[in-house]
Amino acid sequence: GDSVTQMEGPVTLSEEAFLTINCTYTATGYPSLFWYVQYPGEGLQLLLKATKADDKGSNKGFEATYRKETTSFHLEKGSVQVSDSAVYFCALRVSGSARQLTFGSGTQLTVLP
Amino acid sequence: DADVTQTPRNRITKTGKRIMLECSQTKGHDRMYWYRQDPGLGLRLIYYSFDVKDINKGEISDGYSVSRQAQAKFSLSLESAIPNQTALYFCATSGQGARSYNEQFFGPGTRLTVL
Repeated sequence: GDSVTQMEGPVTLSEEAFLTINCTYTATGYPSLFWYVQYPGEGLQLLLKATKADDKGSNKGFEATYRKETTSFHLEKGSVQVSDSAVYFCALRVSGSARQLTFGSGTQLTVLP
Repeated sequence: DADVTQTPRNRITKTGKRIMLECSQTKGHDRMYWYRQDPGLGLRLIYYSFDVKDINKGEISDGYSVSRQAQAKFSLSLESAIPNQTALYFCATSGQGARSYNEQFFGPGTRLTVL
């Protein structure tokens, strides 16, 4: 079946540090890949997405590249801010899948001033 | 106003009680979903609905039921709540068109505690 594996948290960084959150996947078909973010007390919001191999999704300074050869979609940001503190979820959706999104377990990020 | 709303936002109940969680959306989307979130497990799909007459089980539907009363409303029921159903529950929607189905829009969540 389809699955998503994320690096375990929590991750604690100082402001302006470089962020990487690893995400790898297994899929029965050709997936689209997503990063969702959940700020404290809120629902999930789509952060970025990539729908085919070598695509790079980007938003709010975050980037992730769809690597089919390594089945990965790692999230990166060059300089994190306190306001980036949240839980980040990697997810996939296989084309034609009725189950829609399959989520990873989430990674808690805390950025200290 | 929020596009996807959930009521109640918090609920504490006792084992054996019947509980209904409600979700409404103003996005005009045809697809709606219910997930539960548990620490370390991410989000798991309980039920989903592609339109008013289409209801489908997700990966963890046991102990839950749903009702799609209208395109904009999708309710989740726990017929006889048990403590391991204590979790954060999210409703989500997605819209028309192949590209739009790639993004889901989430409500703020309902925190349910079963004692």
